[in-house]
Amino acid sequence: KAGVTQTPRYLIKTRGQQVTLSCSPISGHRSVSWYQQTPGQGLQFLFEYFSETQRNKGNFPGRFSGRQFSNSRSEMNVSTLELGDSALYLCASSVDTSGTGELFFGEGSRLTVL
Amino acid sequence: DQQVKQNSPSLSVQEGRISILNCDYTNSMFDYFLWYKKYPAEGPTFLISISSIKDKNEDGRFTVFLNKSAKHLSLHIVPSQPGDSAVYFCAASKDQFYFGTGTSLTVIP
Repeated sequence: KAGVTQTPRYLIKTRGQQVTLSCSPISGHRSVSWYQQTPGQGLQFLFEYFSETQRNKGNFPGRFSGRQFSNSRSEMNVSTLELGDSALYLCASSVDTSGTGELFFGEGSRLTVL
Repeated sequence: DQQVKQNSPSLSVQEGRISILNCDYTNSMFDYFLWYKKYPAEGPTFLISISSIKDKNEDGRFTVFLNKSAKHLSLHIVPSQPGDSAVYFCAASKDQFYFGTGTSLTVIP
């Protein structure tokens, strides 16, 4: 069974640009969540999608957005990049959205903003 | 507002000894708790979980203890092995997962 796949793995952008990250969940998983990991801040929840609908959203500015497609693949977009957006962005999928199942993480997309 | 806290950023333990990683939470509504392990350049992987109706769950060398009155969670690794060296995240959930900031464990051979 293929795991969670995130692309690209690494990318470098400059301030003011925008970026789109992609996540393909495990087959059969309908919930996709996005997290930002920075040193000292742990995993900060960005948003969760289930059946193409945003179910929960973390405390991030509107520059961070996402969507989910009918095949459960998800994308997140960050517009007007700032230096502080440099982080590892992790996607996780789960079978459902009950909060009692296991989250399966991808390897992450490491974004560097110069 | 950090609802799940891991106050020790790092921990070093000798091989064969016990590793104890701690986690505190603030929301008494959390009903499910998990530990994840993360190696560099990899995504976190699930280690062990516990429901709020239990106070202990064991899986091989790993045991998680839950003290609801203290809102405290701990992970015990016995015996510790060099391959256990990684960053450990605790997480709590009530409809949504909240993660701690992580504890970097180093097991010294």
